Amino acid sequence: AQSVTQLGSHVSVSEGALVLLRCNYSSSVPPYLFWYVQYPNQGLQLLLKYTTGATLVKGINGFEAEFKKSETSFHLTKPSAHMSDAAEYFCAVSVSGAGSYQLTFGKGTKLSVIP
Amino acid sequence: KAGVTQTPRYLIKTRGQQVTLSCSPISGHRSVSWYQQTPGQGLQFLFEYFSETQRNKGNFPGRFSGRQFSNSRSEMNVSTLELGDSALYLCASSLAGGSEDGYTFGSGTRLTVV
Repeated sequence: AQSVTQLGSHVSVSEGALVLLRCNYSSSVPPYLFWYVQYPNQGLQLLLKYTTGATLVKGINGFEAEFKKSETSFHLTKPSAHMSDAAEYFCAVSVSGAGSYQLTFGKGTKLSVIP
Repeated sequence: KAGVTQTPRYLIKTRGQQVTLSCSPISGHRSVSWYQQTPGQGLQFLFEYFSETQRNKGNFPGRFSGRQFSNSRSEMNVSTLELGDSALYLCASSLAGGSEDGYTFGSGTRLTVV
């Protein structure tokens, strides 16, 4: 069974600083990986996803993530934080070709941006 | 292109009652999944439907059920509500439910059980 671990339930950064949100996954077969963002009282918005091909994935709002198979990681980064980035971020994994058809989520990381 | 529509947005029910939540997927999407989000347990998978058939089910009691109609709209039902069922219920639609498609989420239904 697959699982996702997000290190740090809360992360604070200064406006303009680097954002790094960590995600490690466990999967016995090649995974598909996702990052979602959730603003208060909203659903989940897809930031980016890795399926196959290039391991550095670029998403919306300046975010990107790198799939590192050897480290079973898919960390999310953004070079310069903006106040509007304050939200909760979820990493998720889905197993390809296993007929599972579900996302398994991490517990989430709440990002605060300090002016 | 309209997104995923969930109704109602907010709901207050009493313990022991039942509730039905609705989800209209993106036009052309045939897969609908349901998730429960709570502060304690996070996001948990309930079930997934494709072409009116349940393909996968999470680890929830039988009080939680769902169905999908021929137009891909889906409903989930919770019977004999308990206080612990208070949560944000999220619906996600996908072209065919495969991982490569990606999943688009609705804004959710906030259920409060009193």
